[in-house]
Amino acid sequence: DAGVIQSPRHEVTEMGQEVTLRCKPISGHDYLFWYRQTMMRGLELLIYFNNNVPIDDSGMPEDRFSAKMPNASFSTLKIQPSEPRDSAVYFCASSPGTSGGANEQFFGPGTRLTVL
Amino acid sequence: SQKIEQNSEALNIQEGKTATLTCNYTNYSPAYLQWYRQDPGRGPVFLLLIRENEKEKRKERLKVTFDTTLKQSLFHITASQPADSATYLCALGLLSGNTPLVFGKGTRLSVIA
Repeated sequence: DAGVIQSPRHEVTEMGQEVTLRCKPISGHDYLFWYRQTMMRGLELLIYFNNNVPIDDSGMPEDRFSAKMPNASFSTLKIQPSEPRDSAVYFCASSPGTSGGANEQFFGPGTRLTVL
Repeated sequence: SQKIEQNSEALNIQEGKTATLTCNYTNYSPAYLQWYRQDPGRGPVFLLLIRENEKEKRKERLKVTFDTTLKQSLFHITASQPADSATYLCALGLLSGNTPLVFGKGTRLSVIA
């Protein structure tokens, strides 16, 4: 398996533009997580899905952020409009859904977003 | 307030020595704790899991302890090598089962030859 795939790897955009980040989880994994990492705040959970259904989006900073998972092999995180403070590395991670488990998460390589 | 603190932002150690990284937490009751390694420009990679009813776990040169009374986990790398240089993140699992993790900010370890 190729692991978790994220695109693009780097994104530079101007304030006010729409940004869409993409993620393909590992096949067969039931859970998908979106994180944001900055020096100041570390790795923060934004939202996670179980079987394509959003379970907890309390980490989404504001209404400018939205995430979808239309099927088991694809998820998007959208920021509209983007602001300079959104600059960060965004990670997608997936995990198998064995019952009672404390399963490891498999992270993608991340998307480095710069908003000018 | 809830906090996860990893002992220092950076730790330098001589090759061959044992590196010890600390993860302390406040106002959490984790069911388990995980440690991840992150290299520059890459996503975190899982290393070890330890549950609340376990005191110690080992994997090759790695050892993790978990003290729920002290609210602390220690992560040891014995016979450290320059290739062990990376950032190490601890993560709390707050409920049993597959629930999100809460991550510390990490400790950057440099092993000097």
